[in-house]
Amino acid sequence: AQKVTQAQTEISVVEKEDVTLDCVYETRDTTYYLFWYKQPPSGELVFLIRRNSFDEQNEISGRYSWNFQKSTSSFNFTITASQVVDSAVYFCALSEGNTPLVFGKGTRLSVIA
Amino acid sequence: DSGVTQTPKHLITATGQRVTLRCSPRSGDLSVYWYQQSLDQGLQFLIQYYNGEERAKGNILERFSAQQFPDLHSELNLSSLELGDSALYFCASSLSDRGNSPLHFGNGTRLTVT
Repeated sequence: AQKVTQAQTEISVVEKEDVTLDCVYETRDTTYYLFWYKQPPSGELVFLIRRNSFDEQNEISGRYSWNFQKSTSSFNFTITASQVVDSAVYFCALSEGNTPLVFGKGTRLSVIA
Repeated sequence: DSGVTQTPKHLITATGQRVTLRCSPRSGDLSVYWYQQSLDQGLQFLIQYYNGEERAKGNILERFSAQQFPDLHSELNLSSLELGDSALYFCASSLSDRGNSPLHFGNGTRLTVT
């Protein structure tokens, strides 16, 4: 069965620091999809990125970057030069082809000015 | 704005009552998902519909039911409510029923059972 583990429950950093959010997944399928979502204090869930199991290229989008490593079943998310607006709960999620998304428990990031 | 509309935003009701949560998916999306978010359980998948048909069921209680109508909007019915049903209920939609299609979430309905 699919499973996502986000071991970091809460992280607190000072503005402009870099921070990495860890995500480890379990799946028996060779085809699967990984996602990151952001939930700011306002409560909505915002889609950030999707990665499929055949594409291990790292991705960078502005201050955000993602490191996908199949060898360690990890899909980590790094925020460079963090800002107060980055404060949110971040969720990693996994889908095995046709199955609905399974979410990790989330990591609450607090960026202090 | 995700394009997914959920109503109402807040709902306060008493134990034993029944409520209906409503969701309008993004224009063009055929799949609708319902998730429950609580502090202890995190984000739990409840049920999925695709073009009017039930596609997948998660840990949805028998007291809960859902449906997707011909115009693709969906309703989640919660009955015989208990204190433990208090949670944030999210609806999400996607273009297809495949797992590679990102889900776009509404702002949620916060249910408080007193």
